Amino acid sequence: GEQVEQLPSILRVQEGSSASINCSYEDSASNYFPWYKQEPGENPKLIIDIRSNMERKQIQELIVLLDKKAKRFSLHITDTQPGDSAMYFCAAEPGNTGKLIFGLGTTLQVQP
Amino acid sequence: EAAVTQSPRNKVAVTGGKVTLSCNQTNNHNNMYWYRQDTGHGLRLIHYSYGAGSTEKGDIPDGYKASRPSQENFSLILELATPSQTSVYFCASGGPGQGNQAPLFGEGTRLSVL
Repeated sequence: GEQVEQLPSILRVQEGSSASINCSYEDSASNYFPWYKQEPGENPKLIIDIRSNMERKQIQELIVLLDKKAKRFSLHITDTQPGDSAMYFCAAEPGNTGKLIFGLGTTLQVQP
Repeated sequence: EAAVTQSPRNKVAVTGGKVTLSCNQTNNHNNMYWYRQDTGHGLRLIHYSYGAGSTEKGDIPDGYKASRPSQENFSLILELATPSQTSVYFCASGGPGQGNQAPLFGEGTRLSVL
């Protein structure tokens, strides 16, 4: 079935630097791409999303880029803080199925 | 405030036993989902529903059944639980097409099958 590839699996950055997570998808009809943050022992929470009619979206320090031609999208966290340390998941909706396929996740560690 | 409530939060079951995980949402969302989360596998879709009376197979439905008796409730049923079904299960509601909302996740159910 449809798969979403997410890299890297582990990302270590220094506090104040930027962090980037990359995802790719297979179904060219995919049109919705959310990102979730999950703290240990908690549920995934939506942090930002983008639809296929956009190429870029920013919410404060979070930037999402979408390249539909390459079937890739990415999350960029600028000026990382220790509170950004968590697991991050990308997801894509194949076609108009109403369901999401998730990447395997990226563990982000922000070191003081 | 939008909410998805799962019960139980923790469950220990015996191999071969029947397990029912329940999910309730007060958001009036049509779509509901059951995912399991395992280290190294991320979040995998088991079953989902477009509304009361509807259930659809996700990517890993084998060994699971689902029931959506009402808009608010969506259950996941393990008729014959196996140790391989030990996992954290998340229910979610909403989703693409639901007013542009990404699914909202419940707090999760930690299931151990011994």
